[in-house]
Amino acid sequence: KNEVEQSPQNLTAQEGEFITINCSYSVGISALHWLQQHPGGGIVSLFMLSSGKKKHGRLIATINIQEKHSSLHITASHPRDSAVYICAVYIQGAQKLVFGQGTRLTINP
Amino acid sequence: EAQVTQNPRYLITVTGKKLTVTCSQNMNHEYMSWYRQDPGLGLRQIYYSMNVEVTDKGDVPEGYKVSRKEKRNFPLILESPSPNQTSLYFCASSLGQGFFEQYFGPGTRLTVT
Repeated sequence: KNEVEQSPQNLTAQEGEFITINCSYSVGISALHWLQQHPGGGIVSLFMLSSGKKKHGRLIATINIQEKHSSLHITASHPRDSAVYICAVYIQGAQKLVFGQGTRLTINP
Repeated sequence: EAQVTQNPRYLITVTGKKLTVTCSQNMNHEYMSWYRQDPGLGLRQIYYSMNVEVTDKGDVPEGYKVSRKEKRNFPLILESPSPNQTSLYFCASSLGQGFFEQYFGPGTRLTVT
């Protein structure tokens, strides 16, 4: 079983819909990252979380440490949000990031 | 502009021909790492470095070497590439480990025939 599980693996929605991507992990972590991988392949960091909630524009990320779960929400989704979203956790004491397999999001106009 | 650069971006080579993928960052970051990305497997760490002359194996180090002689550079060396090393490779850097923003290079798509 992977230490980091994302759901769904693929998500297709219409422009304007509210999007939720989930990330569950099974180990103790010191930080959780949400990353976005563009269709061209480049990866950018969206959020780093160790507790609570963060918001940047139309993107919101939450984490529940007790439940070992994080969500990434996109409000008023737009075709330019189409990308692969990757959850990664920094495992306590292991000095490495462990990545989920990613969620491929497609927003249709 | 803060960035991580990788070269080459695309490479097709043959089995056994030594190659080096360069990685350079201009942010004075201490922590650098190499990942490979394969369909269905996600990103997996190959090697990482916590500072100059300090490197260690990640999850999939077999067939790879690295060096960190300068803070800004972290090349990935494949001394005898094999077809199972065909993959998309990313270099990344950050100020430290854990709760630090990760900066990724643009990726190198390697095909070994």
